[in-house]
Amino acid sequence: EAGVAQSPRYKIIEKRQSVAFWCNPISGHATLYWYQQILGQGPKLLIQFQNNGVVDDSQLPKDRFSAERLKGVDSTLKIQPAKLEDSAVYLCASSSRGERHKGPDTQYFGPGTRLTVL
Amino acid sequence: DQQVKQNSPSLSVQEGRISILNCDYTNSMFDYFLWYKKYPAEGPTFLISISSIKDKNEDGRFTVFLNKSAKHLSLHIVPSQPGDSAVYFCAAAPTSYGKLTFGQGTILTVHP
Repeated sequence: EAGVAQSPRYKIIEKRQSVAFWCNPISGHATLYWYQQILGQGPKLLIQFQNNGVVDDSQLPKDRFSAERLKGVDSTLKIQPAKLEDSAVYLCASSSRGERHKGPDTQYFGPGTRLTVL
Repeated sequence: DQQVKQNSPSLSVQEGRISILNCDYTNSMFDYFLWYKKYPAEGPTFLISISSIKDKNEDGRFTVFLNKSAKHLSLHIVPSQPGDSAVYFCAAAPTSYGKLTFGQGTILTVHP
């Protein structure tokens, strides 16, 4: 079974530029997550999708960050314009949890995209 | 407001000995706890979990202990192996399918 795919793996941009990250979850996984991991910290949830609907985006800086999950499969996360403090690893994760599944849920993470904002 | 804390940034252990990684939390609504392991340039991978109705869960060399009254959990690795060298994150959630809150991570180094 293929894992969670992310691209690009690395990106360097100047502040005020735009950037987009792509994620392809494990086939059949209904739930998709985007996390931001700043150096020395644990991953922080930015947004959670259930199929193509947003479940939780309470920690997404909506003035500059946006995300979409078209057709309930792939997802893109965009930053426009980027700030120095956006330098981090952006992790995508997916899980098989559907709306009616209430049992333990394991999130599977992709390798991440390391963003450096200069 | 750091709700999940791993106060030891790093831990160094000899091969064959026990590794003990600690995690504290402040939110009493957390009911489900997990440990993830991360190698460089890879995403975190799930290791083991525990529900608040238990105080111990074991999987091979890995055991997680939960002390709800102290709001403390620990991960024991026995015996430690060089391949266990990685960053270990603890995470907590209000339910077994809820939003995860991660600690800062502890770098474990197991020396041959």
